[in-house]
Parts: sequence; C-alpha cells; structure tokens
Amino acid sequence: DADVTQTPRNRITKTGKRIMLECSQTKGHDRMYWYRQDPGLGLRLIYYSFDVKDINKGEISDGYSVSRQAQAKFSLSLESAIPNQTALYFCATSDYDRQGKETQYFGPGTRLLVL
Amino acid sequence: KQEVTQIPAALSVPEGENLVLNCSFTDSAIYNLQWFRQDPGKGLTSLLLIQSSQREQTSGRLNASLDKSSGRSTLYIAASQPGDSATYLCAVRAAGNKLTFGGGTRVLVKP
Repeated sequence: DADVTQTPRNRITKTGKRIMLECSQTKGHDRMYWYRQDPGLGLRLIYYSFDVKDINKGEISDGYSVSRQAQAKFSLSLESAIPNQTALYFCATSDYDRQGKETQYFGPGTRLLVL
Repeated sequence: KQEVTQIPAALSVPEGENLVLNCSFTDSAIYNLQWFRQDPGKGLTSLLLIQSSQREQTSGRLNASLDKSSGRSTLYIAASQPGDSATYLCAVRAAGNKLTFGGGTRVLVKP
C-alpha cells in the first residue's frame, strides 16, 4: 500500500467552482506539504504544515487554502478555481533521521484541469 | 530568491551510454540537495540526498556530486538502461525548510 495517497487522481472542473484535493499518509510524519508542478517550472510550494496546529504559506499560496485535519490528513482547497490553476498537484511528507537529514516522500499526484 | 536550473531540459541517449545531468542553483546557502526521479503519472521518488557538507553520494549506478561554492550538482547514471527513462528533478533545501525545485531533465534511453 502506498504511504502517501492523494484523491482524486484526476479532476476536471469549471471556473469558479470550489474543489478540494485530499492527502493522507500512513508514515506517521508530522510535516506535510502541497506543491504544484507546471511544465518547465518544476515544483513550487503552496503550503506546508509542521504539525496539526502549524500551517505556513509557501511561495504561491494565493488562491489556495489548506486544512490539517489530523496528523495523517492535509487537504488543499481552491475556493474559486481559475484556469491558471490547471496543474499537477503533489502532496508530500517528510521526516528527519538522527543525523538531521530530511527526506521527502511524495504522493502520486492529482492532475487538475480547470475549464 | 533561490533559483534552480536544470540543463538540458531533455536528453536522449542510446542504451549503455553514461548519463550526465546538471543542476545549478543561485544561492549557495543550502542545507542539502536532493535528486528525484519522476515517472509519467506517478509521484516523485527520491534517489539521492547530499548534505551541504558532503561532496558526493553514491547508490548503485547513480552518483551525485555537489559543489556548493559554485552552485552546481551533477547526477551521473552509469551504463544507462531503457528503464532509466524518466524525468529527473533536483531540489535544494534552504532556510525556512523551503525546497526549491529545478524544472527537470526529461531523459529517454533508446534500446
């Protein structure tokens, strides 16, 4: 079973609609992240959360909101979707080892098309 | 602002050749650099992580070097195989736990 899951995997919606992307993890990590990927731009950080009570904006948070319902769940919402939010969205978790090395683990991605 | 660049954007080689993928970053104040592999329709898989104090990491046919002062990392894949075809992304982690990704290099290994 996958450690980081995302639902839905694919979604088509219309401009102005509210949409929620969900992420669940079984790794027991405190840190969770949402990224979007656009062709040629790499991944860009939208929001991140270091624990259930900690939510932080990333570099491109405008037009998005998040909810950390539990350690294992981190949802991304588009309150009023617009076409330039068409992208591939990734959720990730991370942990630190004893040497302080952080490793991120990514979900399979959600492909979103806003018409 | 940290900027990460990967050149070339796409690369095609015959099977058996060694692959050399380049990553450059503008701010050398990084904690670590990570190389990922992305397959179509799938998420990212971490390949190698190099701490800022390290100069290279190796895993099987993969070797990644880091020259922090010049803002460069190189991923070498020896004796490439068709199964190595994927997009390879590098990412640097800096203050604020921010991970900045390059645009990726799309690799095709032809049988």
